[in-house]
Amino acid sequence: AQTVTQSQPEMSVQEAETVTLSCTYDTSESDYYLFWYKQPPSRQMILVIRQEAYKQQNATENRFSVNFQKAAKSFSLKISDSQLGDAAMYFCAYRMKTSGSRLTFGEGTQLTVNP
Amino acid sequence: DVKVTQSSRYLVKRTGEKVFLECVQDMDHENMFWYRQDPGLGLRLIYFSYDVKMKEKGDIPEGYSVSREKKERFSLILESASTNQTSMYLCASSLTREVQPQHFGDGTRLSIL
Repeated sequence: AQTVTQSQPEMSVQEAETVTLSCTYDTSESDYYLFWYKQPPSRQMILVIRQEAYKQQNATENRFSVNFQKAAKSFSLKISDSQLGDAAMYFCAYRMKTSGSRLTFGEGTQLTVNP
Repeated sequence: DVKVTQSSRYLVKRTGEKVFLECVQDMDHENMFWYRQDPGLGLRLIYFSYDVKMKEKGDIPEGYSVSREKKERFSLILESASTNQTSMYLCASSLTREVQPQHFGDGTRLSIL
């Protein structure tokens, strides 16, 4: 079975600084998808970024980028120029390519942004 | 824009009651999901459905059942609520096409007393 691990329950960053959230996963599949979701206090889960395993290039969405290390099964999220609105719970998620769209989530990392 | 609506934001029920959580999506998505979210455990999949009247067990189906009579609606049922089912419940939907993300509702915070 696939597992996703986020080893940092809490992280904090100063406004305008950069922070990296860690995620590792375990799978025997060679082709799959990885996601980062953000859950602010409003509770709405918002897709931040996604990565397809067969693509070597790391995905980027504005201030958000990933460091995808397939051999190490690592998928970290880097947030640059952190803003107060980035404060949220962040979840890493994995999806097999062949299983429809069922997701396996990590435990979550609570990010605090200090002014 | 995709809209996934959960019928209640907060719900308080008593032990032994039969509880219904409703979820409706307006984008004709084939797939619908129910998760529960607990601190330190992330989101865990309870049940999901790929089509009307079809259902599949997720990772923690015990104590729950689901119903999908119409494509847009997916109901989660707690047959006899227990205190260990106090949690946040999130519904999601998605298209079947590859790499389509799941869209989530705002969650129902359920307390069983």
